[in-house]
Formats: sequence, structure tokens, C-alpha cells
Amino acid sequence: AQTVTQSQPEMSVQEAETVTLSCTYDTSENNYYLFWYKQPPSRQMILVIRQEAYKQQNATENRFSVNFQKAAKSFSLKISDSQLGDTAMYFCAFMKPPYSGGGADGLTFGKGTHLIIQP
Amino acid sequence: DTGVSQNPRHKITKRGQNVTFRCDPISEHNRLYWYRQTLGQGPEFLTYFQNEAQLEKSRLLSDRFSAERPKGSFSTLEIQRTEQGDSAMYLCASSLGGLGNEKLFFGSGTQLSVL
Repeated sequence: AQTVTQSQPEMSVQEAETVTLSCTYDTSENNYYLFWYKQPPSRQMILVIRQEAYKQQNATENRFSVNFQKAAKSFSLKISDSQLGDTAMYFCAFMKPPYSGGGADGLTFGKGTHLIIQP
Repeated sequence: DTGVSQNPRHKITKRGQNVTFRCDPISEHNRLYWYRQTLGQGPEFLTYFQNEAQLEKSRLLSDRFSAERPKGSFSTLEIQRTEQGDSAMYLCASSLGGLGNEKLFFGSGTQLSVL
């Protein structure tokens, strides 16, 4: 079974600063997908960024980028030029590829990091 | 296409009552997932469907829980004889499925409170 660990329950930074959220995971799979989801107070889960394990290049989406270290099983999220609207819970998640056998149980989530952007 | 839709948004019920939630996935998405999220925790997988077939159920899904997806479109999640421990946010997600399409899109959830 897969596990996802987010060791930072809460982080707070000033607007416009850069912040990095950490995530580690444990799996015996070689191919898989990693995600960061954002959950604002509305509780709507919003996909921030996605990484395929077989790709060495780190994924980027505008101000959001990841540092994917496959050997270390580490998947951190960097938010540049943070904005007040970035305040939310951030969840790291792991997913086996479909048709990989043993059941495709969707996403396994970490416990989340509450990110607060201060004005 | 307006995304994944869940109804109702909120449900308050008395212990022992049955409740049913509905999820309408993004059209053409053949995979549909149910998750449960309690306060301060990440969502936990309950079950998922590929079209109308329920392919996997978590051990969290006790006998009081049942999910269906007739005709491979909308899905319902029923909880019988609710208990206070069932109080949580129930999230539905859908995906297109298949290689390269592993992105889950979530609905806004149904918040269940069992009194």
C-alpha cells in the first residue's frame, strides 16, 4: 500500500514570497503519478499540478512548480510570488497508473498543509 | 460542461436514518470515485467505478454503505442506519481514464452531519 506524508501541518509566509511545501511518499511501484491539490475554505478540491514518475523533467504551471526526486521519493511544491488567494489547504497525492493490477484505488492523499499568505 | 456536480451540498440527519447522495460526473468521464474527508484530514478513498462496474471498494466502506452507477452516468452513495461517526464531507470525483488521462476532477462535496 502507498503512503503519503506531509510533515508541515501549517505554514505562513508574506505575500509575494516564495514558499515550498514538502511531501514524501512510499511505494513499491515504478510508474505512478503525483499530484498537488488545493482546497480553499469552500472545500472544493482543485488540481494544482501533476507529475508523471517516468518523466525526469519537473512539472510547472505558471507560479507553481515541483521538485520531484524519484530516488528519494520526494515531491515538493514551490509557489512563487505567493498571493492572498493561495491561502488554502494543500494536499499531496499519489496514484498508481490504471490497469497496473492489484486494484486502482484512485488517489492516496497526505494529511495536508495549511498555507496562509499574510498581506 | 459545468464540472462534477454533487447534491445535496449539506445533509443533516438523525442517527439511524438512511441518506442518499448523488454525483453527476463530467460528461464522457468513464471513471467515478467516492471519497470521504473528515475535518483536518485528507480525503480517503471509498470506492470507484469504471462505467457502470464497481471495480474496487475500500475497507472503509462498511456493509451500511452502498454505491451504484446505473448506466455509467450519475452515481449514488447510500448510507443506511447512519451513525455519528459517518459525519464527514463526501466527495465525488471523475476522470476520463486511460493512459495520460489520470486527472481527477472533484465536486464540491456533500457535508453530512449525523445528530
